[in-house]
Amino acid sequence: DIQMTQSPASLSASLGETISIECRASEDIYSNLAWYQQKSGKSPQLLIYAANRLQDGVPSRFSGSGSGTQYSLKISGMQPEDEGDYFCLQGSKLWTFGGGTKLELK
Amino acid sequence: QVQLKETGPGLVQPTQTLSITCTVSGFSLTSYYMQWVRQTPGKGLEWMGFIRSGGSTEYNSEFKSRLSISRDTSKNQVFLKMNSLKTEDTGVYYCARDMGAYFDYWGQGVMVTVSS
Repeated sequence: DIQMTQSPASLSASLGETISIECRASEDIYSNLAWYQQKSGKSPQLLIYAANRLQDGVPSRFSGSGSGTQYSLKISGMQPEDEGDYFCLQGSKLWTFGGGTKLELK
Repeated sequence: QVQLKETGPGLVQPTQTLSITCTVSGFSLTSYYMQWVRQTPGKGLEWMGFIRSGGSTEYNSEFKSRLSISRDTSKNQVFLKMNSLKTEDTGVYYCARDMGAYFDYWGQGVMVTVSS
């Protein structure tokens, strides 16, 4: 089974700050990596798929990058509505989620 | 538009069977795979299993012995049944539409508490 290690577990960012969240896979996942945002009491919302493809309707301040086993989600300019939990999902061999990152506004 | 909605019991007793229905609209179950995912305090988000557009299924080995996924395409419904429930199965259960390597639309989730 592919394991996904996500870091950091929590993050506090100021308004307008640029932040990054990382996911490391236990083996090459060939860019089969998606990122989700989950707000309290809601279901996960797709932000990025195929490592760097922005889902329709998602603000352009969100971007994804990476290849092989290392991937990252960047938010360029933290906004209040960006608070929430973020998860990665690998879909190369079955599916595995990262442990999540709680993002708060400082 | 694409919508998914899970319905199920809020409370299930230990050792009993959980049954959840996912009702979809805006797309056909014969064109998409459908996934089940749960989110528990102990393990976070876990992929549980899926049903293919043709009706065959595959399960996470963690649940394989006690999980069953089925569907009724005429009613646009997908079903999850899991037996021998334990307190650690307490969590939110989601259905989601599969796009191959990721899931694009998710239901609102249904909270399930396993307790006597």
